[in-house]
Amino acid sequence: DAGITQSPRHKVTETGTPVTLRCHQTENHRYMYWYRQDPGHGLRLIHYSYGVKDTDKGEVSDGYSVSRSKTEDFLLTLESATSSQTSVYFCAISSTGRDEKLFFGSGTQLSVL
Amino acid sequence: EDKVVQSPLSLVVHEGDTVTLNCSYEVTNFRSLLWYKQEKKAPTFLFMLTSSGIEKKSGRLSSILDKKELFSILNITATQTGDSAIYLCASPGDGTASKLTFGTGTRLQVTL
Repeated sequence: DAGITQSPRHKVTETGTPVTLRCHQTENHRYMYWYRQDPGHGLRLIHYSYGVKDTDKGEVSDGYSVSRSKTEDFLLTLESATSSQTSVYFCAISSTGRDEKLFFGSGTQLSVL
Repeated sequence: EDKVVQSPLSLVVHEGDTVTLNCSYEVTNFRSLLWYKQEKKAPTFLFMLTSSGIEKKSGRLSSILDKKELFSILNITATQTGDSAIYLCASPGDGTASKLTFGTGTRLQVTL
């Protein structure tokens, strides 16, 4: 299995609180991605990174920010969580950006009450 | 906007049956189509297809791509209860990153 660790595995929080999810990889891969998975929508890209301090928005980026200060860590922050952000969040990595399969972490189940 | 559509949404079969899962796509500057299996946690990679008509095979699973008709199928023969999962197909969009657009998945349940 690819060396990807997501933390926390589960989190329950209240509306309006900030939340940070962490993705840590030991593969030294250049590209990292955050997806969310919801029933009826499948996996949707939130943000991705193509190097340290290089990030860009995905399909559903509103309400989320990311940071990548080291190759191995990619943080996803919900500045003020809302109930619509209740979801399962997956981090993924790839070594190149062209024709490359993604390896996924085990996910974080986030519930916003 | 890139689009990937899977059918059926869900499927219940008996162990030993053969199943075919469908994936159609509309993707700008198509490069590849990928299949993943998702059990309880992380999606795990099954196949990546780039050329039409060339079957990829792994044990009882196989997949093929038709770039003219813009679809792919995933076949599972002699299904087992361990094949119960959500099967996802996806395709990367244009650009330098592998930003996958996923279908909503087919939930397969294999019963005894």
